[in-house]
Amino acid sequence: DIQMTQSPSSLSASLGGKVTITCKASQDINKYIAWYQHKPGKGPRLLIHYTSTLQPGIPSRFSGSGSGRDYSFSISNLEPEDIATYYCLQYDNLFTFGSGTKLEIK
Amino acid sequence: QVQLKESGPGLVAPSQSLSITCTVSGFSLTSYDISWIRQPPGKGLEWLGVIWTGGGTNYNSAFMSRLSISKDNSKSQVFLKMNSLQTDDTAIYYCVRDGTTVVAPAYWGQGTLVTVSA
Repeated sequence: DIQMTQSPSSLSASLGGKVTITCKASQDINKYIAWYQHKPGKGPRLLIHYTSTLQPGIPSRFSGSGSGRDYSFSISNLEPEDIATYYCLQYDNLFTFGSGTKLEIK
Repeated sequence: QVQLKESGPGLVAPSQSLSITCTVSGFSLTSYDISWIRQPPGKGLEWLGVIWTGGGTNYNSAFMSRLSISKDNSKSQVFLKMNSLQTDDTAIYYCVRDGTTVVAPAYWGQGTLVTVSA
């Protein structure tokens, strides 16, 4: 099974600022990584797939990059509605979620 | 409109089995894969298994011995059955459909809370 190591587990940033989350896979996942936003009481929302492809309707202040085993996800110009937990998911070989990053606004 | 809705028992006694039905609408199960994903309280998302369009299945190795996923295409229903439940199986269980252009979970049901308790 592929393991996904996500960090940090939590972070706090200011409105208008930028945050970056990383995920490291236990093996090359060929850019098959997706990123989700999860708010309490709702199903997670797919933001990005294939490393950097935004889902329709997702603003461009969300972005992703990476290759091989190492991937990152960033949110710029932080807004209050970005408060959520974010997960990476590898889908190169079945599916594995990262452990999640809880984002808070200072 | 793509919709998925889970229906489960709510409460299961320890060592008993769990059965959840996912009823879908707005698409055909012959065209999209369905995963089951859960979230224990205060913890992260955990992928349990998938049923592919052709009916084949794959499972998270941690659950392979006690998990079964099946479907009835004609009724637009997907079924999860998990045996030998313990208290740490308490979670919200989601059925999730792949995206239109991505073979990754994209459309989520509302989830059903399953509590394992005597």
